[in-house]
Amino acid sequence: DAGVIQSPRHEVTEMGQEVTLRCKPISGHNSLFWYRQTMMRGLELLIYFNNNVPIDDSGMPEDRFSAKMPNASFSTLKIQPSEPRDSAVYFCASSPQGPTTQGGKYGYTFGSGTRLTVV
Amino acid sequence: AQSVTQLDSHVSVSEGTPVLLRCNYSSSYSPSLFWYVQHPNKGLQLLLKYTSAATLVKGINGFEAEFKKSETSFHLTKPSAHMSDAAEYFCVVSDRGSSASKIIFGSGTRLSIRP
Repeated sequence: DAGVIQSPRHEVTEMGQEVTLRCKPISGHNSLFWYRQTMMRGLELLIYFNNNVPIDDSGMPEDRFSAKMPNASFSTLKIQPSEPRDSAVYFCASSPQGPTTQGGKYGYTFGSGTRLTVV
Repeated sequence: AQSVTQLDSHVSVSEGTPVLLRCNYSSSYSPSLFWYVQHPNKGLQLLLKYTSAATLVKGINGFEAEFKKSETSFHLTKPSAHMSDAAEYFCVVSDRGSSASKIIFGSGTRLSIRP
């Protein structure tokens, strides 16, 4: 298995532009998570999906952020318009955990991340 | 609700000496506990996990951790540090009985290895 695949690895964009980050989870994993990592705030959970349905998006910082999972093998995180304070590393992770009683039994497999710089 | 506290933000040891990274947790249910490692400019890699089987868990690269319910701890150890162990380490807790299905990351411990 190729693991969780994120693209692009690096993105540099100008303030105000739209940014789209992409993630392909491990086949068969039914939970997908988007995290943001910065020096100041550490790892923050932005949103997670189970069976392609958004379960908790309380970590999404503002309306400028949106995430979709149109099918089991693809998810996007979009920032529109982007701002310099959005600069961070964005990680996608997937897990085979079930929707109800399994909780976090299996742990997550993380992608290599997308380093976003907004200038 | 669950929470996790990594007691040291930075640990520095000499190569060849033991490593101890401390982690305490709180959980309303039976917890699953994990340690992840992040090398510079890399993603997070699962080192080991505890999910209610043996309390002493062995992971990759010679690391192990012991689940101690009475102390609510899950400290990470390694008998002999190697230069390649220099990285950020995250302790993670999840409630296995919870339907929330998300996990909580500690703030991380940066491990430095002195030659």
